[in-house]
Amino acid sequence: DGGITQSPKYLFRKEGQNVTLSCEQNLNHDAMYWYRQDPGQGLRLIYYSQIVNDFQKGDIAEGYSVSREKKESFPLTVTSAQKNPTAFYLCATLAGIGYNEQFFGPGTRLTVL
Amino acid sequence: QKEVEQDPGPLSVPEGAIVSLNCTYSNSAFQYFMWYRQYSRKGPELLMYTYSSGNKEDGRFTAQVDKSSKYISLFIRDSQPSDSATYLCAMTATGANSKLTFGKGITLSVRP
Repeated sequence: DGGITQSPKYLFRKEGQNVTLSCEQNLNHDAMYWYRQDPGQGLRLIYYSQIVNDFQKGDIAEGYSVSREKKESFPLTVTSAQKNPTAFYLCATLAGIGYNEQFFGPGTRLTVL
Repeated sequence: QKEVEQDPGPLSVPEGAIVSLNCTYSNSAFQYFMWYRQYSRKGPELLMYTYSSGNKEDGRFTAQVDKSSKYISLFIRDSQPSDSATYLCAMTATGANSKLTFGKGITLSVRP
């Protein structure tokens, strides 16, 4: 998994609760990404950040929030506004401008009870 | 039309078979093409990376890009049970905003 850690591996949430998924990297990569993966739907981009203290919405940002206070960390909060949060969440990094290969963490499986 | 279309699966082949996985795309700005392999309940890992048109070979794997047809392929020779996984194609244009566009993935099963 190349220096990207995600925790926890499995997470259970009751409806109405906010939960935060952790993503940490020691690759010294500038950009970080959050994807959601559902069966048969591929990877969908939630948020991404190209530098510290800056981030942009992806294709499905509603109900999610992020922060990028440190280069190494890009936590994702799944809020109660996300109506269908059960999914596999993947964090990825990119070395920087001029690079195109993204590297993925091991993922967090979130289940809403 | 979706930006990236990937052949639907699942795909099941006997050990030793040649496997061909394909994606088509509509955005002519795409210049970089990748194949990721994802084992069950794991994150995707980069398998092959190709710039523009042409072929790239790495062991049993060959990536092929035909930009004129907007078509990319991944060939697996002498397939092994350990190749059983989901394969995702991904692509991006040049520039600072390097967002990848992914295919939906195809699940391959190689039978011993």
